[in-house]
Amino acid sequence: SQELEQSPQSLIVQEGKNLTINCTSSKTLYGLYWYKQKYGEGLIFLMMLQKGGEEKSHEKITAKLDEKKQQSSLHITASQPSHAGIYLCGADMNSGGGADGLTFGKGTHLIIQP
Amino acid sequence: DAGVTQSPTHLIKTRGQQVTLRCSPKSGHDTVSWYQQALGQGPQFIFQYYEEEERQRGNFPDRFSGHQFPNYSSELNVNALLLGDSALYLCASSLMWGHIQYFGAGTRLSVL
Repeated sequence: SQELEQSPQSLIVQEGKNLTINCTSSKTLYGLYWYKQKYGEGLIFLMMLQKGGEEKSHEKITAKLDEKKQQSSLHITASQPSHAGIYLCGADMNSGGGADGLTFGKGTHLIIQP
Repeated sequence: DAGVTQSPTHLIKTRGQQVTLRCSPKSGHDTVSWYQQALGQGPQFIFQYYEEEERQRGNFPDRFSGHQFPNYSSELNVNALLLGDSALYLCASSLMWGHIQYFGAGTRLSVL
């Protein structure tokens, strides 16, 4: 089974609407990273969360890490066509510190309808 | 400031051949990680290089090997290519104690 589960797999949202993407792990997360990817291109870093209960915002995107550090959500307010793409959560599941290799979910494909 | 650069952008090989992919990290970064992303999947961690040594390795066979040079750039080598090696190969750089990994645009490898 996948170590990091993302839901939904795909999402079609009308422009201007809000949406939420979830990322769930069965293990403690020592770092949770959200990235955005345009089809077939590299990953663009969005946000990093490390502390339980932490919440960060950038422009219209807010990400949270729950107190148990096993689930994160990404919320987009008033979606725009520029938000379309694949959203990936990546997790550091090692407690040893340092920039460890990340485990990724399968991604959420977001389509914004005008 | 140049970000992470990868070359080549696209590559076509046949089964059994060998391939070398290259990565130049973001300026100031000392750690390079390689990932394989199959179509419709999330990236899978191959290995990470720090101080010219392999620091961590994911669940990939020995056909996948790498190298890091004194200027922190890195190579990924894959021997005896299989059809299943067709994927987007992503390089990410970071500071060892900086956590955030920044990705290049990737190399698209097609094995025929």
